This record gives sequence, C-alpha cells and structure tokens, in this order.
Amino acid sequence: EVQLVQSGAEVRKPGESLKISCKGSGYIFTNYWIGWVRQMPGKGLEWMGIIFAGDSDTRYSPSSQGQVTISADKSITTAYLQWSSLKASDTAIYYCTRPSIVGGIILRVDYWGQGTPVTVSS
Amino acid sequence: QSALSQPPSASGSPGQSVTISCTGTSSDVGGYNYVSWYQQHPGKAPKLMIYEVSERPSGVPDRFSGSKSGNTASLTVSGLQAEDEADYYCTSYADSNNLGVFGGGTKLTVL
Repeated sequence: EVQLVQSGAEVRKPGESLKISCKGSGYIFTNYWIGWVRQMPGKGLEWMGIIFAGDSDTRYSPSSQGQVTISADKSITTAYLQWSSLKASDTAIYYCTRPSIVGGIILRVDYWGQGTPVTVSS
Repeated sequence: QSALSQPPSASGSPGQSVTISCTGTSSDVGGYNYVSWYQQHPGKAPKLMIYEVSERPSGVPDRFSGSKSGNTASLTVSGLQAEDEADYYCTSYADSNNLGVFGGGTKLTVL
C-alpha cells in the first residue's frame, strides 16, 4: 500500500527556519516524483514544486521559486520542504503528493499525505 | 485570485444532479485535455475524482463525471448523496505554470 506520511504540526516565529518531511513507503521511491501543495487557511490549493526522487531533478512553481527549497533523501525514502526565513504568509497546510507525470505534465495526483499544518506567528 | 474560475458554491437535494464549472483560457483548460477534479472533506486531504477531463479512477462512483467544452470544464455529480458534500477543486496543465493551476474551489452543499 502506497503511503505518504508527513511530519507533525509546526509553530514558528517570522524569520525562523523550518524543514518538514514526507516519508514514502509501499512503492519504489526512486521511480516517482514527489510534489508539495500548499493550502492557506480557508483557501484553495496551489502547487509549490516537485522533485524526482531518483535524481533530485526539481521544478518550482513561479511563485515558490526562491522562496522554498525542495529536497529528497532516497536512502530514507523521504522528501523535504524547507524555508530559511519564514513569513506570516507561509501559514498554511502543506501536503506532499505523489503525482503521475508523463512528458513533464502532471496528469493526476493519486496519493496525498495527511498534511502538515505550519503556523508562523510572532 | 485563482487562475481557474469556479463558482464559490453549489447545492442540490439528495438524488438530484449538480454541475460545477471550471473556466480557464486557451492556455490552460481550453488548450489541453489535462483537467482533474479533487474532492476535499473538511480536515482531510484532497481525493482524486476525475482526471484527463473525463477519466474516473477506480473506486470513484460512476455518479461522478467530467466533461469539457472550449475553455470550460465541468464536473457533474448525479444522484447526490449526503457524503458528496465537500469542496471540489479543478486543476489544469497551463502554459503559465508547468506544474498546473487550480481553481478557487466550490463548496457543494447537499440540502
């Protein structure tokens, strides 16, 4: 059974750093992409970026480029989303996903993690 | 403001049908057959309901169907049931964002 298990809720102050994780299991981790989706409070969904676990090829959405870093450690089948300096506007739930990608196009997302709530407040 | 436009709300009585629209442009919905729909219950992760405009994943009831005409995609839920009450999001591949763009979501209420 494919599972994506994310790290727990986080509370940070503006300017602090943060790294959240997503552990994949039940499939060959290095054969698939992992993606991160943001959902701000009461708002819709937004792609942040994706990483191919096999070679760490990473692509960011225009709005996330330079704002976050996506990485993966295939030895422990875990992907990460990190911030070097959080802002209040980073407050959101972050979902890791396993999208189905063909020819560079995300066709669908069959698997989602449970979400990691991040609160940034002074 | 979301790239794709969805009505904020929709409603129907049990057993009825309801259609949710998702309007984009020729650079996203109209230009590609890569529209997906996700259902999200409160406090839960989204669930794939439709992909590639009208394909249904295994396990999704055939009460859910998708279509597209021009720059507008649609999700139809037939034979509404109480458990269909949720938020629904459309997404499409887009020239402006190679990861795809989402609609703002539609809250479906079963009366």
